[in-house]
Amino acid sequence: EPEVTQTPSHQVTQMGQEVILRCVPISNHLYFYWYRQILGQKVEFLVSFYNNEISEKSEIFDDQFSVERPDGSNFTLKIRSTKLEDSAMYFCARGNRGDPSGANVLTFGAGSRLTVL
Amino acid sequence: AQSVAQPEDQVNVAEGNPLTVKCTYSVSGNPYLFWYVQYPNRGLQFLLKYITGDNLVKGSYGFEAEFNKSQTSFHLKKPSALVSDSALYFCAVRAAYSGAGSYQLTFGKGTKLSVIP
Repeated sequence: EPEVTQTPSHQVTQMGQEVILRCVPISNHLYFYWYRQILGQKVEFLVSFYNNEISEKSEIFDDQFSVERPDGSNFTLKIRSTKLEDSAMYFCARGNRGDPSGANVLTFGAGSRLTVL
Repeated sequence: AQSVAQPEDQVNVAEGNPLTVKCTYSVSGNPYLFWYVQYPNRGLQFLLKYITGDNLVKGSYGFEAEFNKSQTSFHLKKPSALVSDSALYFCAVRAAYSGAGSYQLTFGKGTKLSVIP
C-alpha cells in the first residue's frame, strides 16, 4: 500500500491565523482520520471521515477545526484561528482496503508539525 | 472511556538481548489491540494487532505481543533486539466492533526504545 503524504512538513504561524494541513491518501479509500500529538504527550484522536462526511469527532475537535475532501483526493484539516495550544504534530491516516470495518489498521502519514507563536 | 498506559518513557536494551515494551489498557467489552512504530521523520507504521484467537500475536520484523485479559496487558516483545529497532513504539486500543459506539483508536504516549550496540 502506498504511503500517505502530508504537507507541509512544518508550519510556523502566528496566533489567530488560519492554517490548512493537507493529506493525500488514495482516492478509493473511504475512511480517513486526523490525529495529533502534542510534544511529549499521547497521540490523540481528532476526527474520522467516512464517505465524505464526519463520522466521529473528539472533544478536541471544536468549532475552530474543520475537515474537507475538496477534490476527492486531498483531505484537509483547517484550523480557523490558531491558539498556542494547537502547537502539535498532526497526523493524517487512512483505513486500509479489505478491512470490513475500515478502521482496524491505519496507514499514517509522516505528520505536519505546527508551531503557533 | 478507553485508555492506554505505557509506563516507561524509555527502554534501553543491549543488541542481541530480549526486549519488552509494556502496555496496559482499559476498554469496555472486548479489545482490539495494536502496536505501531515510528521512526524519525516517518509516520506511525503498523506492527501487529490482536483481534481474537491466540493470545500470542506475531507481527513484522520479528516482533510479537502477548494479550493477557486478566492483567489487561498487551506487552510487545522481541527475542533478540537489533540496533535498527531503535524507535518510538505506540500501543493502541479500540473497542471491538459491535455495530455501534466509538471505533477511534486510543494511543498511549509512546515508549522510546534504544538498542545499544
